[in-house]
Amino acid sequence: SQQGEEDPQALSIQEGENATMNCSYKTSINNLQWYRQNSGRGLVHLILIRSNEREKHSGRLRVTLDTSKKSSSLLITASRAADTASYFCATDYFLIQGAQKLVFGQGTRLTINP
Amino acid sequence: DVKVTQSSRYLVKRTGEKVFLECVQDMDHENMFWYRQDPGLGLRLIYFSYDVKMKEKGDIPEGYSVSREKKERFSLILESASTNQTSMYLCASSLWGTSTDTQYFGPGTRLTVL
Repeated sequence: SQQGEEDPQALSIQEGENATMNCSYKTSINNLQWYRQNSGRGLVHLILIRSNEREKHSGRLRVTLDTSKKSSSLLITASRAADTASYFCATDYFLIQGAQKLVFGQGTRLTINP
Repeated sequence: DVKVTQSSRYLVKRTGEKVFLECVQDMDHENMFWYRQDPGLGLRLIYFSYDVKMKEKGDIPEGYSVSREKKERFSLILESASTNQTSMYLCASSLWGTSTDTQYFGPGTRLTVL
């Protein structure tokens, strides 16, 4: 299976601390994406990193990618209560006719304690 | 902003009923997807569509069918609902043919089959 695996499965930290989540995958990728899911809701795209990039920033988010280790990490700095959610990494491969399949890991459940 | 809507947030059906889950996107996306999300199994692709009237099986199509008569609408059909189809169903859409496709998700439908 190409499915990514997130680590840890659950993470609980205090507001203001940094949160780091890791993702490992099994096969070569074009891109890796991170999504957030608030409880009982749909997923929201956070950031995409291409296979030829090593690091990318977006606001308080920092993503790294190590294709030699087939792993990625998502760092959320200065966490807030609103960051409480599940975070998923997704790797891609192409289906027919240009559609792109995303294969999701099982997610890290992040809880920010006030 | 892309908006993906799903016809119901919560749905309760009985075993053997025919169930329709509707998804509509407003950004003229070519690709649309149906996933189910279960604890411990993550998101799994049921079906996808890359054009009107075109559909392809995903990883777990058994017990499901789909319909895409118009570009903006993608329906998931459970021909005869069973209890093992109790799940969260997520619809997503994306543009065609780019290597950096982001998928935009609807809010999800939590289906319970009794």
